Order: sequence, then structure tokens, then C-alpha cells
Amino acid sequence: KAGVTQTPRYLIKTRGQQVTLSCSPISGHRSVSWYQQTPGQGLQFLFEYFSETQRNKGNFPGRFSGRQFSNSRSEMNVSTLELGDSALYLCASSPRPQGGTDTQYFGPGTRLTVL
Amino acid sequence: AQRVTQPEKLLSVFKGAPVELKCNYSYSGSPELFWYVQYSRQRLQLLLRHISRESIKGFTADLNKGETSFHLKKPFAQEEDSAMYYCALSSAGGSYIPTFGRGTSLIVHP
Repeated sequence: KAGVTQTPRYLIKTRGQQVTLSCSPISGHRSVSWYQQTPGQGLQFLFEYFSETQRNKGNFPGRFSGRQFSNSRSEMNVSTLELGDSALYLCASSPRPQGGTDTQYFGPGTRLTVL
Repeated sequence: AQRVTQPEKLLSVFKGAPVELKCNYSYSGSPELFWYVQYSRQRLQLLLRHISRESIKGFTADLNKGETSFHLKKPFAQEEDSAMYYCALSSAGGSYIPTFGRGTSLIVHP
């Protein structure tokens, strides 16, 4: 099976703009999670979607949002970008309905740079 | 609040030496603990989880609830073990908010 894919791989934006990142899970996986990875904060959980519903949410401001489509593909959106949003955004998919950290398969990430 | 602490940012050893990557956690309920690994230019991937009590690539990790630790150990390090290692915690069962440590970079010298 093809792995988790994320597009684009690299992105440069300026402050105030918004951005949309895309994630295609492994075929058959219905749970998709998003993470932000930065040198200062490490890997932080953003949210998890299952069957088009947000099931869990981390401690991030409302500028960070997401959605999941009927084919399990997911997008995350960040509005009004700030310099601190520069990070590697990772997507992970899971085959289990419950999700669970252990069964997650990670994508390569999208490197977002905010200028 | 749940927290995962990996006190060492960098661990440098020689091939054949024992390795121990430390992980301490803070959580009030029943945790699930995991180790993830990221090799150079590869994706983050699960190495092992405490529930499975398995040994992967020679690595083992024992959950010590008394000391709230989940240290990763290998008796004889290999050069191919060089990677970034992340300890992670989530609540056992049901919904979860996974928490990752900051990671430890392991370098194994020839």
C-alpha cells in the first residue's frame, strides 16, 4: 500500500496569509491526525479526525482548523499566519477506529515557513 | 496534565556499548507508553509500545509505574541505531491526546 502523502512538501507564506495543507491517508485508514513539530516545542498534537468528524483536539488557537472528506483525505487550515507558525506539519493515519498512538503511520510532513 | 520528559537531547556512544534513552512521564491515569524513531531522511515510525512487551531491533522498554519511567534500552548499540528517538504517552483506551517528548538524538560511533 502507498504510504501517507502530504502536499505540498514545502510552503512559504507571509504573515497574515492563510494556508491549507493536505493529507492523504493510507488506503483503508479512517483516522487522520495532525501534528506540529518545532525545535522549541517538539511534536505537538493538533487534532484528529475520524469519519469526517473531529474526535480530539489539542491546545491550539482557533486559527488552526481542519476537516476530513468522505474519502478520508484531510486538510488543515491555518488562518492569519504568524511567524511562530513556521514548523513541520505532520499528518498520520491509523487503521483502528479508536485511533491510538501506536497504530499511526506518519507522512513526510509539510515544511511551512512564515516570513 | 500529561507530560513526557526526555532529559537528554543527545546521546553519543560507541558501537557495541549499551544504550539507555531515558523517558519520564507525568500522568494521573493509566498511560500507554510508546517509543517512536526517526532515521535520517525517513518518516517517524513506531518502534515499540509497552503493552506489547516486545523487543524490536534489540530494543526493549519497561514501564516502571513507581518511577513513572519508560526507558529504552539496548545492550549492544549498532551504527544503524543512530536516529532521533521520541517517547510518547496517551491515555489508555477511548479518546486520547498524545503527548510526545522533545526527543533524544542517538549517535553511535564506529
